[in-house]
Amino acid sequence: GAVVSQHPSWVICKSGTSVKIECRSLDFQATTMFWYRQFPKQSLMLMATSNEGSKATYEQGVEKDKFLINHASLTLSTLTVTSAHPEDSSFYICSARERGHWVGGQPQHFGDGTRLSIL
Amino acid sequence: GDSVTQMEGPVTLSEEAFLTINCTYTATGYPSLFWYVQYPGEGLQLLLKATKADDKGSNKGFEATYRKETTSFHLEKGSVQVSDSAVYFCARGTMTTDSWGKLQFGAGTQVVVTP
Repeated sequence: GAVVSQHPSWVICKSGTSVKIECRSLDFQATTMFWYRQFPKQSLMLMATSNEGSKATYEQGVEKDKFLINHASLTLSTLTVTSAHPEDSSFYICSARERGHWVGGQPQHFGDGTRLSIL
Repeated sequence: GDSVTQMEGPVTLSEEAFLTINCTYTATGYPSLFWYVQYPGEGLQLLLKATKADDKGSNKGFEATYRKETTSFHLEKGSVQVSDSAVYFCARGTMTTDSWGKLQFGAGTQVVVTP
């Protein structure tokens, strides 16, 4: 149980285009999803917290107009990298926390990540 | 501020060797603690967790005990296999009302197990 599907797994696109990444909880409802960015050989950097039906909360230093997050349902959150440039190339990972579980003790369930390469 | 510190890698060891990855944390209160594992090119998988002092999390031969007195959550495995080669992340949960259950990760420790 507790499977999170992330799509696409790998995307290559030209500079200036926008790229949408989907994160779905397949067998549970997720009121909260998280978006991370990971650089090679480094830890995960939290970008934003996505709450179903409300605006995302962005971490300091993350451009909300650059990284648009939508959490329209209890099973889907999307991250759109707008007008992507080579410096946006990275590994993006989403995670989801199950609805109704104690916040402190409930682990996050992670997707397999999306490798974004901007040419 | 609060932090998670884990030993630097890479840690290279032979198959069937004993593995320890140190993890310490600073925090107010008693956060939940987690170990996640990341295989190459993949997302993170929960390995084990502990939610209160003296709890022991265990899974797939890995163990970690929540030590309040030393603020530690060291990961151990008695006999590693080549398939255990991965990056291991220690993480702490947050419990404040404005944190939405965020996780704070350590830097990760790469483990390489050779045949």
